[in-house]
Amino acid sequence: TQLLEQSPQFLSIQEGENLTVYCNSSSVFSSLQWYRQEPGEGPVLLVTVVTGGEVKKLKRLTFQFGDARKDSSLHITAAQPGDTGLYLCAADNYGQNFVFGPGTRLSVLP
Amino acid sequence: NAGVTQTPKFQVLKTGQSMTLQCAQDMNHEYMSWYRQDPGMGLRLIHYSVGAGITDQGEVPNGYNVSRSTTEDFPLRLLSAAPSQTSVYFCASSSGAGVVGTQYFGPGTRLLVL
Repeated sequence: TQLLEQSPQFLSIQEGENLTVYCNSSSVFSSLQWYRQEPGEGPVLLVTVVTGGEVKKLKRLTFQFGDARKDSSLHITAAQPGDTGLYLCAADNYGQNFVFGPGTRLSVLP
Repeated sequence: NAGVTQTPKFQVLKTGQSMTLQCAQDMNHEYMSWYRQDPGMGLRLIHYSVGAGITDQGEVPNGYNVSRSTTEDFPLRLLSAAPSQTSVYFCASSSGAGVVGTQYFGPGTRLLVL
C-alpha cells in the first residue's frame, strides 16, 4: 500500500491570497487525482494527472505532477471563500483502486 | 440522474448490533466501492466491485461484508458493530477502475457505535 502524505494539514488564509498544498510519497504513482470535499458531502474530482511533469489548469487552480511521479502540488491563485474545503490527493494503485492521502483542510476568510 | 445515493444519512448503533448501509447508482457504472473516512486519515477502501457478482477486499475489510447482485446496488453490511467502526462511510461508483473512469461519491453515512 502506498503511503501518501499531504501538507500542510490545515491552512487558513485571507481572500485574495495565493496558496500551495502538496502531496508526496516515497512510491512512484501511475497517476494521481485531486478532490475537493465540502462539509457533509462526498469528495468531488477536480483533476487527474498521468504524465510526469504534467501541469493542468482549472480556472484559478494549477495542478502539477512531479517529474518522477512521486509528488504533486495544487496551487490556488487569489483564493476565494468558495475554495474552502478539504483537498484530498489520491494515487492510482496500478489501475485497481485509489489510495487517498489524509487531506489539507483549507479555510479562506472573507 | 440522482447519481450515487446512500441511506441512511445518520445511524446510531449499540456494540454488537448489525446493520446494512445502502448504496445505489443510476449511471450504469460497473465499478463501485466503499470507503470509510476518519479524522486525519483520509479515505480508506473497505471493499470494491468491478461488476455484478464480483467483489474484492480493500485496505480495511475486517468486520464488513458486501455483495453485488445488481449493477445498481452495492450494500455494505456490518456484522457485529464495534466502536472502532464509528466513522463516515462513502460509496463511490465509476465507469472503470483507476483513471479509466471518474469516481462519483455519494453524500455519506455518518455512523456512531456506542
